[in-house]
Amino acid sequence: QVQVQESGPGLVKPSETLSLTCTVSGDSVSNFHWSWIRQSAGKGLEWIGRSYIDENINYNPAFKSRVTMSVDTSKNQFSLKLRSVTAADTAVYYCARVRGGFALDIWGQGTMVTVSS
Amino acid sequence: QSALTQPPSASASPGQSVTISCTGTSSDFGVYNYVSWYQQHPGKAPKLMIYEVTKRPSGVPDRFSGSKSGNTASLTVSGLQPEDEADYYCSSYAGSNNLGVFGGGTRLTVL
Repeated sequence: QVQVQESGPGLVKPSETLSLTCTVSGDSVSNFHWSWIRQSAGKGLEWIGRSYIDENINYNPAFKSRVTMSVDTSKNQFSLKLRSVTAADTAVYYCARVRGGFALDIWGQGTMVTVSS
Repeated sequence: QSALTQPPSASASPGQSVTISCTGTSSDFGVYNYVSWYQQHPGKAPKLMIYEVTKRPSGVPDRFSGSKSGNTASLTVSGLQPEDEADYYCSSYAGSNNLGVFGGGTRLTVL
């Protein structure tokens, strides 16, 4: 059974870099595309980006200048870095597997990240 | 990257059916049948309910069905049960960015 689990700091200071890791179990990270999605309090879902073995990485233009995603096949993980964060980046961040048709079929439980000094 | 448009709320009584719409631009829906629907209960991660417009992942009850006509996709839940009360989000391939885009979500209330 494939599972994904987010990890990283729950508190980040304004202007610093938010760094999260998603660990994949039950399958190889090399076999699929993977995505980061976030959800601000009381708001909807926002797709941040999609990556595949560090190739063909696609970012939401709303984040493009601040975001970097990467895949570490040796650790079976993929990661998110979001630079110059503000309070508006406070959200629950999810990692998810992308199947055909851009459907997100396996989700992590989500990790809450608060941007505050 | 524009969001897809969903009604903010929908409601129906147990046993009844309800349909939630999702309207996008032609660049989202016109070429590809890449529409998905997600169910999210409070404090939980979203769960994939429908993909590629009409397909159900294993384990999703056949009470959930999807369709698309022109620039509008729909999720229909038949034989509503109390546990169907949740937020529902549609998603579609966004084309030019080779990424997906979500609708704003619909809160389904089972009266």
